[in-house]
Amino acid sequence: GDSVTQMEGPVTLSEEAFLTINCTYTATGYPSLFWYVQYPGEGLQLLLKATKADDKGSNKGFEATYRKETTSFHLEKGSVQVSDSAVYFCALPQGTSYGKLTFGQGTILTVHP
Amino acid sequence: EPEVTQTPSHQVTQMGQEVILRCVPISNHLYFYWYRQILGQKVEFLVSFYNNEISEKSEIFDDQFSVERPDGSNFTLKIRSTKLEDSAMYFCASNLGTGAGEELFFGEGSRLTVL
Repeated sequence: GDSVTQMEGPVTLSEEAFLTINCTYTATGYPSLFWYVQYPGEGLQLLLKATKADDKGSNKGFEATYRKETTSFHLEKGSVQVSDSAVYFCALPQGTSYGKLTFGQGTILTVHP
Repeated sequence: EPEVTQTPSHQVTQMGQEVILRCVPISNHLYFYWYRQILGQKVEFLVSFYNNEISEKSEIFDDQFSVERPDGSNFTLKIRSTKLEDSAMYFCASNLGTGAGEELFFGEGSRLTVL
């Protein structure tokens, strides 16, 4: 079945450092791809998404490009802030089912001042 | 901004007891979901619910589990005869159901600890 693999974490960075969190996927067809974020004490919330190949999703300075050649959707940010400390999840829908997502294992990001 | 709310935030129960986790989805949403995350593991889909019936469920969602929309606002997950391995964070989510690529709106989760 469809699956998502995220880089092993956790990731610890200093403020203003460059961030990359790798995500690769296995899927039939070309599903939408998502990054969700979970801030401490909160639920998961959508960070960004891309609905087709070569699309770039962006939000809050984060970007991810849907690359079908490498089956990847890596999350990047040029300059992280302490407030970006959270758990980041890559996800894709399971087939055409509504709301049935397959998540990666999550990457814990800690940003120090 | 509308949000999904869940209660309780944390519940501790003895093995074999029944637990009900409650959720209030966003009011105009039509599809409701439960996910769970066992500590250190992936977030896993449990069940989706539409028009007062289960639309899809995972292999995890066996006869021990049930869902219900008892009134116009609440959506509940019941776990009968809890086991140690049911200890997890349970997330409720909702959306309009426009397609597989639609965003899910999650609650903050209910942490269940089974002793």
